[in-house]
Order: sequence, then structure tokens, then C-alpha cells
Amino acid sequence: GNSVTQMEGPVTLSEEAFLTINCTYTATGYPSLFWYVQYPGEGLQLLLKATKADDKGSNKGFEATYRKETTSFHLEKGSVQVSDSAVYFCTLKAGSARQLTFGSGTQLTVLP
Amino acid sequence: NAGVTQTPKFQVLKTGQSMTLQCAQDMNHEYMSWYRQDPGMGLRLIHYSVGAGITDQGEVPNGYNVSRSTTEDFPLRLLSAAPSQTSVYFCASESSSPIVQYFGPGTRLTVT
Repeated sequence: GNSVTQMEGPVTLSEEAFLTINCTYTATGYPSLFWYVQYPGEGLQLLLKATKADDKGSNKGFEATYRKETTSFHLEKGSVQVSDSAVYFCTLKAGSARQLTFGSGTQLTVLP
Repeated sequence: NAGVTQTPKFQVLKTGQSMTLQCAQDMNHEYMSWYRQDPGMGLRLIHYSVGAGITDQGEVPNGYNVSRSTTEDFPLRLLSAAPSQTSVYFCASESSSPIVQYFGPGTRLTVT
């Protein structure tokens, strides 16, 4: 079956620090990959996505590259802000299936 | 354009009680789904619908019923609440082009 494994949290960083949240996946076929973000008290929002190997998704200074050879989709940001504090979910959609498979989420706290 | 709306935001039930969680979207999306979010487990799919009159089970359907009489609404019914159903419930709808899932703000349910 499909599965997503992401770096366990919580992660605490100082403002302007570099962020990496690791994500690896197992899937049949060629999945699409997503990062969703959940701010406190809110629903999930799509942060970025990549639909094929070597694609790079980017948004709000965050980036992730779809690496088929290592089955990874690590999230990075060069300089985090306090407003980036949230829970981040690595997610995949396999082939024509509509269902999303979520990782367990990584809580990020950025301190001023 | 309100997106995906859910009511109520919070609910406390006693074991054995029934209730309906409401979900509505105004984006004319055919695909809608219900997820539950539990600590350390990401989101798991309960039920989904690919259009009015069509529903199917997801990963964790037991104890829940759904129906889809209109494109806009996709209510989730708990038939006889159990403490194991204490969770945060998210409704989502999906656009077809590009394929993106939009989440509601969630309903936090506690069963005592």
C-alpha cells in the first residue's frame, strides 16, 4: 500500500534559521506529492505540490523537489519566520486514486 | 465564495448519542471527502463522494454514514457515538483542474 513517513517533531527553530523537514514515501506507480500546512485552529491548506519526478514545488519561500530515485520530497526554507509556526503534512496521491495519504505531521515552532 | 464550511466547530457527545456533522462547499466540486485527524496519525479518510448520489468508504468508515443528495452538501452521521470517535473531523472538496483539495476549518468532537 501507499505510505508517507515524515520527520517527527516537534521542531523548534529561531527566526531566520534554515528549515528542513524530511519526507519519504512508498507508493505504487507515480504519485503526485504535496505539502499541506495547518496553522493553529485552522484547516489544512495546500502549500506546494509536484506531480512528476524532478519537479520542484515552491510557495512562500518553501521548496520541495520530487526525487524518484530516493522516493523523497523534503521541505526546505532558507529563513523561517515566526508566522511559519504550524504543522506540516507530507502527502501523496497515487495514480488516478482520489484519496490522499498523509504523513503524521511535523509541528514547527519558530521563536523570535 | 466561502469555500468549504463545517458546522459545528465544537461538539461534546455522550456515548451512544447520534449526531450529524455538516459540510458544504460553494465551488461546484464533484469530489468531497471526510477525514479524521488523530494525534500522531495524520489524516485518515472516512468516506468520500465523487458526485451527488455516489458515496464510498475510505480507510476508517466503521461507525459513520454519509449521503450526497446535492453537489454542495456532504453530511457525516455518527450513528452511536463511542469514545474512540473523539477526534477532529475535516471535510474537503477537490477541484478538477488543477487537482487540489480544499479543507474546511474542522469540527472538534469529544465523546464522553
